Amino acid sequence: AQTVTQSQPEMSVQEAETVTLSCTYDTSENNYYLFWYKQPPSRQMILVIRQEAYKQQNATENRFSVNFQKAAKSFSLKISDSQLGDTAMYFCGIQGAQKLVFGQGTRLTINP
Amino acid sequence: SQTIHQWPATLVQPVGSPLSLECTVEGTSNPNLYWYRQAAGRGLQLLFYSVGIGQISSEVPQNLSASRPQDRQFILSSKKLLLSDSGFYLCAWWTVGTEAFFGQGTRLTVV
Repeated sequence: AQTVTQSQPEMSVQEAETVTLSCTYDTSENNYYLFWYKQPPSRQMILVIRQEAYKQQNATENRFSVNFQKAAKSFSLKISDSQLGDTAMYFCGIQGAQKLVFGQGTRLTINP
Repeated sequence: SQTIHQWPATLVQPVGSPLSLECTVEGTSNPNLYWYRQAAGRGLQLLFYSVGIGQISSEVPQNLSASRPQDRQFILSSKKLLLSDSGFYLCAWWTVGTEAFFGQGTRLTVV
């Protein structure tokens, strides 16, 4: 079975600050992918970053980076220099051979 | 290009009426297909997934069913809607080496 836990239902930071969103997961599969998706008020799901589990190097996309700790089954997202447009719901997800499962989400608010 | 179409965007249905939501995918073959439901301000609950034509796996026992009559078509149905079926429904697809692609979603209100 695959499960994802996001322990922070809501977070709020000031513009330009750095924020880290937590995610832990569980899976019995050896090959899997990890994702962070952003869902703004429009409810469109937008990929933020993805990580193949077999890659040890942490993925980075501009201001977004992950801290992937495979042994601990942890996959946190760091947003640097946060911007007002980063305000959204963020979902951590795990893709196995068949299922794509997400956590309950973290609602992030960036304050001016 | 890879696209996904989901319709309708909004739907208001009376209790006890049937439901059919459709999702079609373009630009790929043999994708994994998914239906999710999202209650207001809540997480994404996986309802059904399919790894091939006619292959449906249910995650949550409920008033809904899913079918995959063609490789790139995924349908969510109900014979009789309940008030608790209200929510935002998302269809998605994935294949190895890609991100997951999501439809625009359907906002269903059961009245």
